[in-house]
Amino acid sequence: KQEVTQIPAALSVPEGENLVLNCSFTDSAIYNLQWFRQDPGKGLTSLLLIQSSQREQTSGRLNASLDKSSGRSTLYIAASQPGDSATYLCAVRAGQNFVFGPGTRLSVLP
Amino acid sequence: EPEVTQTPSHQVTQMGQEVILRCVPISNHLYFYWYRQILGQKVEFLVSFYNNEISEKSEIFDDQFSVERPDGSNFTLKIRSTKLEDSAMYFCASSEVSTGFGYTFGSGTRLTVV
Repeated sequence: KQEVTQIPAALSVPEGENLVLNCSFTDSAIYNLQWFRQDPGKGLTSLLLIQSSQREQTSGRLNASLDKSSGRSTLYIAASQPGDSATYLCAVRAGQNFVFGPGTRLSVLP
Repeated sequence: EPEVTQTPSHQVTQMGQEVILRCVPISNHLYFYWYRQILGQKVEFLVSFYNNEISEKSEIFDDQFSVERPDGSNFTLKIRSTKLEDSAMYFCASSEVSTGFGYTFGSGTRLTVV
Protein backbone atom coordinates (compact mmCIF):
# COMPACT_ATOMS: atom_id res chain seq x y z
CA LYS A 1 0.00 0.00 0.00
CA GLN A 2 1.41 3.36 -1.08
CA GLU A 3 2.23 5.74 1.76
CA VAL A 4 3.38 9.32 1.42
CA THR A 5 5.20 11.28 4.09
CA GLN A 6 6.36 14.88 4.16
CA ILE A 7 9.13 16.56 6.11
CA PRO A 8 9.08 18.92 7.85
CA ALA A 9 5.52 19.04 9.18
CA ALA A 10 5.86 22.79 9.69
CA LEU A 11 8.38 25.42 8.70
CA SER A 12 8.76 29.08 9.56
CA VAL A 13 11.24 31.20 7.64
CA PRO A 14 11.97 34.90 7.16
CA GLU A 15 11.02 36.47 3.87
CA GLY A 16 13.57 36.07 1.10
CA GLU A 17 14.91 32.69 2.13
CA ASN A 18 15.18 29.76 -0.26
CA LEU A 19 13.63 26.62 1.13
CA VAL A 20 13.14 22.94 0.40
CA LEU A 21 10.14 20.78 1.20
CA ASN A 22 10.54 17.02 1.15
CA CYS A 23 8.21 14.23 0.12
CA SER A 24 8.79 10.48 0.33
CA PHE A 25 6.71 7.61 -1.01
CA THR A 26 7.02 3.91 -0.39
CA ASP A 27 6.18 2.40 -3.80
CA SER A 28 8.20 3.67 -6.75
CA ALA A 29 5.69 2.35 -9.31
CA ILE A 30 3.95 5.68 -9.87
CA TYR A 31 2.49 7.43 -12.91
CA ASN A 32 3.19 10.91 -11.64
CA LEU A 33 3.65 13.12 -8.62
CA GLN A 34 1.95 16.43 -8.00
CA TRP A 35 2.57 19.28 -5.60
CA PHE A 36 -0.42 21.27 -4.37
CA ARG A 37 -0.89 24.36 -2.30
CA GLN A 38 -3.78 24.61 0.17
CA ASP A 39 -4.73 27.78 2.00
CA PRO A 40 -6.61 27.37 5.31
CA GLY A 41 -10.13 26.08 4.72
CA LYS A 42 -9.70 26.24 0.97
CA GLY A 43 -9.30 23.90 -1.96
CA LEU A 44 -6.30 22.43 -3.73
CA THR A 45 -4.23 24.53 -6.10
CA SER A 46 -2.02 22.49 -8.39
CA LEU A 47 1.55 23.83 -8.48
CA LEU A 48 3.61 21.32 -10.41
CA LEU A 49 3.03 17.92 -11.97
CA ILE A 50 5.97 15.61 -12.68
CA GLN A 51 5.43 12.56 -14.84
CA SER A 52 7.27 9.38 -13.84
CA SER A 53 9.61 9.77 -16.82
CA GLN A 54 10.61 13.29 -15.81
CA ARG A 55 13.23 14.44 -13.32
CA GLU A 56 12.01 17.93 -12.59
CA GLN A 57 9.53 20.66 -13.39
CA THR A 58 9.80 24.41 -12.93
CA SER A 59 7.24 27.17 -12.65
CA GLY A 60 8.41 30.63 -11.71
CA ARG A 61 10.07 30.48 -8.29
CA LEU A 62 9.11 26.84 -7.82
CA ASN A 63 11.13 23.81 -8.83
CA ALA A 64 10.13 20.24 -8.12
CA SER A 65 12.37 17.23 -8.58
CA LEU A 66 11.55 13.55 -8.66
CA ASP A 67 13.79 10.59 -7.89
CA LYS A 68 11.45 7.70 -8.48
CA SER A 69 13.94 4.97 -7.66
CA SER A 70 14.55 6.35 -4.19
CA GLY A 71 10.93 7.36 -3.66
CA ARG A 72 11.62 11.04 -3.12
CA SER A 73 10.57 14.42 -4.38
CA THR A 74 11.57 17.89 -3.31
CA LEU A 75 9.86 21.22 -3.81
CA TYR A 76 12.25 24.14 -3.91
CA ILE A 77 10.87 27.62 -3.34
CA ALA A 78 13.20 30.47 -4.20
CA ALA A 79 13.10 33.89 -2.57
CA SER A 80 10.12 33.10 -0.36
CA GLN A 81 7.41 35.71 0.18
CA PRO A 82 4.71 36.10 2.85
CA GLY A 83 2.16 35.20 0.18
CA ASP A 84 3.75 31.75 -0.03
CA SER A 85 2.41 30.96 3.45
CA ALA A 86 0.16 27.91 3.07
CA THR A 87 0.18 24.14 3.42
CA TYR A 88 2.01 22.30 0.65
CA LEU A 89 0.78 18.84 -0.21
CA CYS A 90 2.58 16.15 -2.14
CA ALA A 91 0.50 13.47 -3.88
CA VAL A 92 1.48 10.44 -5.95
CA ARG A 93 -0.62 8.64 -8.48
CA ALA A 94 -0.13 4.92 -8.94
CA GLY A 95 -3.59 3.77 -9.93
CA GLN A 96 -6.69 5.79 -10.61
CA ASN A 97 -6.37 7.82 -7.47
CA PHE A 98 -3.86 10.09 -5.80
CA VAL A 99 -2.36 9.26 -2.42
CA PHE A 100 -1.65 12.40 -0.47
CA GLY A 101 0.94 13.24 2.13
CA PRO A 102 0.02 15.09 5.33
CA GLY A 103 1.49 18.35 4.10
CA THR A 104 4.07 20.88 5.21
CA ARG A 105 2.67 24.02 6.81
CA LEU A 106 4.81 26.95 5.68
CA SER A 107 4.91 30.37 7.29
CA VAL A 108 6.97 33.10 5.65
CA LEU A 109 7.48 35.99 8.01
CA PRO A 110 7.76 39.56 6.70
CA GLU B 1 -8.75 27.11 -18.39
CA PRO B 2 -11.41 24.42 -17.83
CA GLU B 3 -12.50 23.93 -14.24
CA VAL B 4 -14.23 21.35 -12.11
CA THR B 5 -17.13 23.12 -10.41
CA GLN B 6 -18.54 22.07 -7.06
CA THR B 7 -21.72 23.27 -5.39
CA PRO B 8 -22.46 24.32 -2.76
CA SER B 9 -19.21 25.64 -1.34
CA HIS B 10 -20.49 25.08 2.19
CA GLN B 11 -23.37 22.94 3.39
CA VAL B 12 -24.65 22.51 6.91
CA THR B 13 -26.90 19.56 7.68
CA GLN B 14 -28.38 17.88 10.71
CA MET B 15 -27.16 14.48 11.77
CA GLY B 16 -29.19 11.71 10.15
CA GLN B 17 -30.16 13.79 7.12
CA GLU B 18 -29.28 12.89 3.56
CA VAL B 19 -27.01 15.22 1.61
CA ILE B 20 -26.09 15.39 -2.04
CA LEU B 21 -22.87 17.07 -3.08
CA ARG B 22 -22.72 18.17 -6.69
CA CYS B 23 -19.90 18.45 -9.16
CA VAL B 24 -19.64 19.43 -12.79
CA PRO B 25 -16.52 17.79 -14.24
CA ILE B 26 -14.62 19.11 -17.23
CA SER B 27 -16.73 18.38 -20.28
CA ASN B 28 -14.47 15.97 -22.20
CA HIS B 29 -13.31 14.08 -19.13
CA LEU B 30 -14.33 10.46 -18.71
CA TYR B 31 -13.12 9.60 -15.20
CA PHE B 32 -14.58 11.11 -12.06
CA TYR B 33 -13.49 10.97 -8.44
CA TRP B 34 -14.41 12.00 -4.93
CA TYR B 35 -11.96 12.68 -2.13
CA ARG B 36 -12.47 13.98 1.37
CA GLN B 37 -10.36 15.82 3.90
CA ILE B 38 -11.35 15.83 7.54
CA LEU B 39 -10.11 19.00 9.23
CA GLY B 40 -6.42 18.71 10.05
CA GLN B 41 -6.03 15.38 8.30
CA LYS B 42 -4.84 14.06 4.93
CA VAL B 43 -6.83 14.21 1.75
CA GLU B 44 -8.25 10.68 1.27
CA PHE B 45 -9.55 8.94 -1.83
CA LEU B 46 -13.18 7.83 -1.68
CA VAL B 47 -14.24 6.56 -5.10
CA SER B 48 -13.60 6.63 -8.82
CA PHE B 49 -16.27 6.36 -11.50
CA TYR B 50 -16.01 5.48 -15.16
CA ASN B 51 -18.50 4.43 -17.79
CA ASN B 52 -21.40 4.85 -15.37
CA GLU B 53 -20.05 2.55 -12.73
CA ILE B 54 -17.70 2.59 -9.78
CA SER B 55 -14.24 1.48 -10.87
CA GLU B 56 -12.49 1.71 -7.54
CA LYS B 57 -13.42 2.60 -3.97
CA SER B 58 -11.68 2.89 -0.64
CA GLU B 59 -12.68 1.30 2.63
CA ILE B 60 -14.13 4.66 3.66
CA PHE B 61 -16.75 4.43 0.91
CA ASP B 62 -19.27 2.23 2.72
CA ASP B 63 -22.96 1.62 2.11
CA GLN B 64 -24.00 5.06 3.27
CA PHE B 65 -22.22 6.62 0.30
CA SER B 66 -23.30 6.46 -3.32
CA VAL B 67 -22.29 8.21 -6.51
CA GLU B 68 -24.24 8.95 -9.62
CA ARG B 69 -23.95 10.68 -12.95
CA PRO B 70 -27.61 11.64 -13.35
CA ASP B 71 -27.14 13.44 -16.63
CA GLY B 72 -24.38 14.29 -19.09
CA SER B 73 -22.81 16.97 -16.97
CA ASN B 74 -23.26 16.38 -13.22
CA PHE B 75 -21.54 13.94 -10.91
CA THR B 76 -22.97 13.58 -7.40
CA LEU B 77 -21.97 12.13 -4.06
CA LYS B 78 -24.84 11.16 -1.77
CA ILE B 79 -24.47 10.50 1.92
CA ARG B 80 -27.64 8.75 3.10
CA SER B 81 -27.66 9.36 6.84
CA THR B 82 -25.00 11.81 7.87
CA LYS B 83 -22.94 11.38 11.00
CA LEU B 84 -20.90 13.96 12.85
CA GLU B 85 -17.73 12.33 11.56
CA ASP B 86 -18.79 12.98 7.98
CA SER B 87 -17.95 16.64 8.53
CA ALA B 88 -15.13 17.31 6.09
CA MET B 89 -14.13 19.04 2.88
CA TYR B 90 -15.21 16.95 -0.10
CA PHE B 91 -13.28 17.34 -3.35
CA CYS B 92 -14.45 16.24 -6.76
CA ALA B 93 -11.94 15.59 -9.53
CA SER B 94 -12.02 14.51 -13.14
CA SER B 95 -9.53 13.30 -15.72
CA GLU B 96 -9.53 12.69 -19.43
CA VAL B 97 -7.75 9.37 -19.23
CA SER B 98 -7.04 7.03 -16.37
CA THR B 99 -3.33 7.65 -16.08
CA GLY B 100 -2.31 10.76 -17.94
CA PHE B 101 -2.56 14.50 -17.86
CA GLY B 102 -5.50 16.66 -17.01
CA TYR B 103 -6.44 15.34 -13.58
CA THR B 104 -8.19 18.38 -12.15
CA PHE B 105 -9.62 19.00 -8.68
CA GLY B 106 -12.58 21.19 -7.82
CA SER B 107 -12.46 23.79 -5.07
CA GLY B 108 -14.37 21.59 -2.64
CA THR B 109 -17.58 21.53 -0.62
CA ARG B 110 -17.26 21.98 3.12
CA LEU B 111 -19.85 19.75 4.80
CA THR B 112 -20.68 20.46 8.41
CA VAL B 113 -22.89 17.95 10.23
CA VAL B 114 -24.47 19.31 13.42
